[in-house]
Amino acid sequence: QVQLEQSGTEMKKPGASVKVSCKVSRYTVTDLSMHWVRQAPGKGLEWMGGFDPEDGEIIYAQKFKGRVTMTEDSSTDTAYMEVSSLTSDDTAVYYCATLSIFAVAPDVWGQGTMVTVSS
Amino acid sequence: DIQMTQSPSTLSASVGDRVTITCRASQSINNWLAWYQQKPGKAPKLLIYKASNLESGVPSRFSGSGSGTEFTLTISSLQPDDFATYYCQHFNNYSPCSFGQGTKVDIK
Repeated sequence: QVQLEQSGTEMKKPGASVKVSCKVSRYTVTDLSMHWVRQAPGKGLEWMGGFDPEDGEIIYAQKFKGRVTMTEDSSTDTAYMEVSSLTSDDTAVYYCATLSIFAVAPDVWGQGTMVTVSS
Repeated sequence: DIQMTQSPSTLSASVGDRVTITCRASQSINNWLAWYQQKPGKAPKLLIYKASNLESGVPSRFSGSGSGTEFTLTISSLQPDDFATYYCQHFNNYSPCSFGQGTKVDIK
């Protein structure tokens, strides 16, 4: 069963960038379709983007296009999600999530990474 | 992007109650709908995929139905472990996805 381990808590100032990592175990990152979801304090889940295996490209939610970049490093089996131009509205827990083999919806999630944006 | 609307936003129920949560899509999504359960401080847990398929290991008291634009999650007999927040998600792995705003199930 695939496992995901995320990087630790981050504190950033407005205008900065943050890069969250998601280490894949028991599979190679290129075998998986990785998605990113965030949750602001006391709020609901928000899908940010994910890998489309049909055309091999990242699909981003409209509101994050141009400000969020999702990448993978096959040498370390790690996925990354970077958010630039941070504001206080980006304060949230960020999750990576993926589909295990034969799954049709994200069934494996990382533990979450808390990102706080404050001056 | 397709918008997902859940109702109610909060539901108060007792152990043993039958509970139904509704999710509506702004346009047809066929059966590309998943349901998740989330408890405080934890990552979401997949319950149902493709509208009506029970994820392995999920108790049979959970069921999903619907297609097109209207979907339901039903808990046939609410158990103490089921008090949580539930989210629907349009997901098909090849187009933008979106979550409903969530339904919190709490103790009456």
